[in-house]
Amino acid sequence: DAGVTQSPTHLIKTRGQQVTLRCSPKSGHDTVSWYQQALGQGPQFIFQYYEEEERQRGNFPDRFSGHQFPNYSSELNVNALLLGDSALYLCASSGWGQGGFYGYTFGSGTRLTVV
Amino acid sequence: AQSVAQPEDQVNVAEGNPLTVKCTYSVSGNPYLFWYVQYPNRGLQFLLKYITGDNLVKGSYGFEAEFNKSQTSFHLKKPSALVSDSALYFCAYGGATNKLIFGTGTLLAVQP
Repeated sequence: DAGVTQSPTHLIKTRGQQVTLRCSPKSGHDTVSWYQQALGQGPQFIFQYYEEEERQRGNFPDRFSGHQFPNYSSELNVNALLLGDSALYLCASSGWGQGGFYGYTFGSGTRLTVV
Repeated sequence: AQSVAQPEDQVNVAEGNPLTVKCTYSVSGNPYLFWYVQYPNRGLQFLLKYITGDNLVKGSYGFEAEFNKSQTSFHLKKPSALVSDSALYFCAYGGATNKLIFGTGTLLAVQP
């Protein structure tokens, strides 16, 4: 059973460019959340998608946007990149089943470096 | 505001000794509490969760945690530490439809 898959694993972009990160959730999960983890810090919640809609959003500017597709996979888009956007971006999937709440499963992340 | 605190930036323990990584929470309602481990340049690996039920939760790799409502704590424990347990540990709070709120992390260093 595949877990959460993120692509690409590493990415280098120039200030002002745009980037798209991708996430495929664990089988059976229908909710996808995105987190930003700066070096030496804990992950910070960006937003969560369920039923192809943004359900919750953290304290991130509108430059950060996302999308969820009918197969539950998701994209994170960041426009007008800043040096401070350099971080590890983590995707987490979650869902409910007969046993209750599955919990959150994280992918290995995408390391974004903005130069 | 909901918050999770990990009071220790680093915990040092000798291999074979018991280890404890501390976590306290400040939330309203019934908490969903989680422990994750992160190895260098990797994502987060799930260790265990508390939602309801027994206060002692057993998880992956021999780890366990005790939910203590009166002390608002959810400390991570292991009876005998391994060098391979050395990593960054995060406590997190979250509901089934809510975002996860992470602590600042505790670096566990197990000396041979």
